Amino acid sequence: AQSVTQLDSHVSVSEGTPVLLRCNYSSSYSPSLFWYVQHPNKGLQLLLKYTSAATLVKGINGFEAEFKKSETSFHLTKPSAHMSDAAEYFCVVSPLFSGGYNKLIFGAGTRLAVHP
Amino acid sequence: DAGVIQSPRHEVTEMGQEVTLRCKPISGHNSLFWYRQTMMRGLELLIYFNNNVPIDDSGMPEDRFSAKMPNASFSTLKIQPSEPRDSAVYFCASSPRDQQETQYFGPGTRLLVL
Repeated sequence: AQSVTQLDSHVSVSEGTPVLLRCNYSSSYSPSLFWYVQHPNKGLQLLLKYTSAATLVKGINGFEAEFKKSETSFHLTKPSAHMSDAAEYFCVVSPLFSGGYNKLIFGAGTRLAVHP
Repeated sequence: DAGVIQSPRHEVTEMGQEVTLRCKPISGHNSLFWYRQTMMRGLELLIYFNNNVPIDDSGMPEDRFSAKMPNASFSTLKIQPSEPRDSAVYFCASSPRDQQETQYFGPGTRLLVL
C-alpha cells in the first residue's frame, strides 16, 4: 500500500533561518511526489512536484525538495524562512499505478510557525 | 486565469437539513475531485470524476452523500440529511488532461452542522 509519513506535526523556526520539513513515503512503484501548502482559511497550493526527472526539485517561494530513493524520503527545505511561510504543509504521494488515475494520498501535515 | 471556484465559502445549517456545495473547475480541465478535511481524519478523497463521469466514489461516506457533474464546468456535492459529524471543510480540485498528476484546489467550503 502507498502511504506518506510526515515526521513532524509542528515545526517552529526563526525568521531568516533554514526550514526543514521531513517526509517519508512508501510505494511499490516509482511514485510522483508533491508538496502542497495551505495558508489559514485558504485552499491548497502546489509548491513543487517530482515526477521521475531531476531528483532535486525547485518550487515556488524559494522552496525545494530532494527525492532520495534509497531513503524513501522527500524532505522540503528553504534556506531562509519568511514570516509569510507560516502555514500547513502537506507531503503527497501519487502512486504510478492507482486504479488508472492519479489519486493523491496526503500526509497528516506539518504546521510551520515562523517567529521574528 | 480564474482558479477553481467554490460556493458557498461558509455554510451553517441545522442537523437534518439538505446541504449543496458547488464547484466550478478550471476551464479545460477534465478531472474533478471532491475532498473533505477534518482535524481527526485529515484530507480524504470523496469522489473523482473524469470527463464528467464518476470514476471512483469509494470515499463517499454513506448514502447521505451524493455528487453530480452535469457538465464540464459544474459539479455539486449534496448531503441529505446533514449530521453534525459532517462538519468539515470541503475542497474541490481539478486537473488538466496533459498534467493529470497535478491538482488545483479551490478555496474550500467550511460547513458547520449544528
